[in-house]
Amino acid sequence: SQTIHQWPATLVQPVGSPLSLECTVEGTSNPNLYWYRQAAGRGLQLLFYSVGIGQISSEVPQNLSASRPQDRQFILSSKKLLLSDSGFYLCAWSGLECCGETQYFGPGTRLLVL
Amino acid sequence: DAKTTQPNSMESNEEEPVHLPCNHSTISGTDYIHWYRQLPSQGPEYVIHGLTSNVNNRMASLAIAEDRKSSTLILHRATLRDAAVYYCILGGTSYGKLTFGQGTILTVHP
Repeated sequence: SQTIHQWPATLVQPVGSPLSLECTVEGTSNPNLYWYRQAAGRGLQLLFYSVGIGQISSEVPQNLSASRPQDRQFILSSKKLLLSDSGFYLCAWSGLECCGETQYFGPGTRLLVL
Repeated sequence: DAKTTQPNSMESNEEEPVHLPCNHSTISGTDYIHWYRQLPSQGPEYVIHGLTSNVNNRMASLAIAEDRKSSTLILHRATLRDAAVYYCILGGTSYGKLTFGQGTILTVHP
């Protein structure tokens, strides 16, 4: 069966510090991968998605970047964090399924920027 | 992107059925209707999806109106564990930009 891992689970970082969040998927090949952010009390916002190694599409302009160095690894980064980067970061994967897109989410990383 | 409209909140009693409505009057012919739920402090969880016909799985049932402009997620017997935010989302057959709205906060009373 497929599983998705994210780490760290929680993170407190000062403004201006770098960020690296990692997401890995097991039990599937060539997944589509996604990074979402959820601000407190709000819905999810799609940040990046990837259909293959080295292929990244950005949904919104922002202080963050994403990379996919391996088929089942997706990394979210920032060189300098802003206060507004605080939130709940979720990684998701999907496969090529019949009949519509189904995404499976990881446990998330809670980031607090102080 | 076609949008969905859901009530902000609903309440139910444990072991009673729950019907969560969703309006999507601008749905296109190729849009699937997806339902996800998010328990507190967790990532969203896939519940069910459908295109035209009603769908059943171990978690819920999805009833789709004949004109596809609305749908209803049915939890047959609510449990306390079903308390969550339920999102109704439209998505196409290509990979996925699932646009999450505010969803419906479901409260289940013992």
